Amino acid sequence: NAGVMQNPRHLVRRRGQEARLRCSPMKGHSHVYWYRQLPEEGLKFMVYLQKENIIDESGMPKERFSAEFPKEGPSILRIQQVVRGDSAAYFCASSPPGSDYEQYFGPGTRLTVT
Amino acid sequence: SQQGEEDPQALSIQEGENATMNCSYKTSINNLQWYRQNSGRGLVHLILIRSNEREKHSGRLRVTLDTSKKSSSLLITASRAADTASYFCATDASNTGNQFYFGTGTSLTVIP
Repeated sequence: NAGVMQNPRHLVRRRGQEARLRCSPMKGHSHVYWYRQLPEEGLKFMVYLQKENIIDESGMPKERFSAEFPKEGPSILRIQQVVRGDSAAYFCASSPPGSDYEQYFGPGTRLTVT
Repeated sequence: SQQGEEDPQALSIQEGENATMNCSYKTSINNLQWYRQNSGRGLVHLILIRSNEREKHSGRLRVTLDTSKKSSSLLITASRAADTASYFCATDASNTGNQFYFGTGTSLTVIP
């Protein structure tokens, strides 16, 4: 059973461009979480999704950021018009139904905005 | 904020010594977990301790939880150079079970 997969592992964008980060949860997992880790800091929760539903987006910035988890395919975290402050590591975690405390983390995507 | 805080921020020890890291949090929790993160890498789950447990062991790891003090400690015994990493505690608040709140981490360096 492959773990949580994220791609790309590293992404460089210029200011104003869009960044798309993908997360494929573990097989059988229907819950996906996105976290952001700024340099020298811990992870901060952004959004919690189930298939085709956003359950909790209380940690998501109100503008430029969006997330989806379609019926088919990976979860996508989209950042529009990126700014330097968006440079961070973005981690995705997944959990099986009914077991939110078992979150398995992916390797992360390191976004650098130049 | 529920965010946990680890103490110390950084710790440097000789190989073979024990390393102790502490984590404090603010509100009631369901579970507390410890993770390790090697530089530039993802998180590795180490151990989960439930709110009704006081102590848990896994290999060279020992975790304690004191819910009255809202604190936890992670002890790594007989440290190895490969234990060099950042260690984070994560809590899930009892009223918002799906979010994990991470502390800022303890950076551990084990000197060979």
